[in-house]
Amino acid sequence: SQTIHQWPATLVQPVGSPLSLECTVEGTSNPNLYWYRQAAGRGLQLLFYSVGIGQISSEVPQNLSASRPQDRQFILSSKKLLLSDSGFYLCAWSVGAMGEKLFFGSGTQLSVL
Amino acid sequence: QQPVQSPQAVILREGEDAVINCSSSKALYSVHWYRQKHGEAPVFLMILLKGGEQKGHEKISASFNEKKQQSSLYLTASQLSYSGTYFCGTRLTGANSKLTFGKGITLSVRP
Repeated sequence: SQTIHQWPATLVQPVGSPLSLECTVEGTSNPNLYWYRQAAGRGLQLLFYSVGIGQISSEVPQNLSASRPQDRQFILSSKKLLLSDSGFYLCAWSVGAMGEKLFFGSGTQLSVL
Repeated sequence: QQPVQSPQAVILREGEDAVINCSSSKALYSVHWYRQKHGEAPVFLMILLKGGEQKGHEKISASFNEKKQQSSLYLTASQLSYSGTYFCGTRLTGANSKLTFGKGITLSVRP
């Protein structure tokens, strides 16, 4: 069966510090991978998605970046965090057509202070 | 194009029914429903792909009116476990359309 691992679960970082969130998927090959951010009152905002290794599409201009070094690994990064980067970050995967039936990770609650 | 969900919040007693709506200003290819409990990841409920299609999950069903670009989620005889935030996601017609989620509706079922 397929599983998705996302860590850490909680993170408190000072403004200006770097960020690295990691997500891995097991039990499936060549998944579509996504990073979403959930801020209060704004729903689920798609940040990045990837259909294959090294293929990253950005949906929202910001100081975050994503990378997919391996087929089932997706990393969200920042060189310098802003206060506005605080939120609940969710990694998700799907197979087949883009956007079909997403499976979400357990999320990372990021607080930038 | 973010879909609009209504009402903003729902409070009901166990056993009561509720309807949650999702609408778009553009032509839709599909509507997706997810439920998220506090502090947890969203969980897939159902996808509706055709106009007028209805689907069900437990005692939760949904309809998709392609012409009106609307979907409704029906919760029948609600249970305490139905509490959470319900998100609809929509994909527009056309190539490379991305799944865009609404802001979500908080539903609270009380004993």
